[in-house]
Amino acid sequence: DTGVSQNPRHKITKRGQNVTFRCDPISEHNRLYWYRQTLGQGPEFLTYFQNEAQLEKSRLLSDRFSAERPKGSFSTLEIQRTEQGDSAMYLCASSLGRNTEAFFGQGTRLTVV
Amino acid sequence: GNSVTQMEGPVTLSEEAFLTINCTYTATGYPSLFWYVQYPGEGLQLLLKATKADDKGSNKGFEATYRKETTSFHLEKGSVQVSDSAVYFCALKNAGNMLTFGGGTRLMVKP
Repeated sequence: DTGVSQNPRHKITKRGQNVTFRCDPISEHNRLYWYRQTLGQGPEFLTYFQNEAQLEKSRLLSDRFSAERPKGSFSTLEIQRTEQGDSAMYLCASSLGRNTEAFFGQGTRLTVV
Repeated sequence: GNSVTQMEGPVTLSEEAFLTINCTYTATGYPSLFWYVQYPGEGLQLLLKATKADDKGSNKGFEATYRKETTSFHLEKGSVQVSDSAVYFCALKNAGNMLTFGGGTRLMVKP
């Protein structure tokens, strides 16, 4: 297992387009998290899954954002009608349980032009 | 709500210098505290953690002590190396499942 994998690593899109990112967590990790990191800032929590259930969503996650984790394995994060303010690094993390270490992927850098 | 405040960078040091990166937090209850490191081109990695007051987390020569009375978790290293150049993030996890991060501090170590 090579860790948390995120694809694509970079995405450039025009304003108004939809984009989808994928995260493959470490095998058997039942918890999966999405964070957003803007330039010069720390990561901000977006949403969290335990297995296939989405249990928490940040107020940062507007109606244009949707995340899924079918079958409790990989997860996708979709942004509809992208805006320039969506430009950021989107990070995925997974963990085995509540009090265990969260392992982060390298992130997907989104640029909206 | 929860929040984490770190000293702003960049912090520029010569090799073998002593490092301190300040971190203070605001939280209800008794959070766990973490330091993460992000090397250039890589993902966030857990550097060390402490789960209760007066605990000391340590790893790779770095240390941080959970000080409840001052709500602080300062990161220290006695002798930095060029390979320590990275961005360091202080974070906390409370009763919820998510991490709350500080803004990050860039460390640059010159030979």
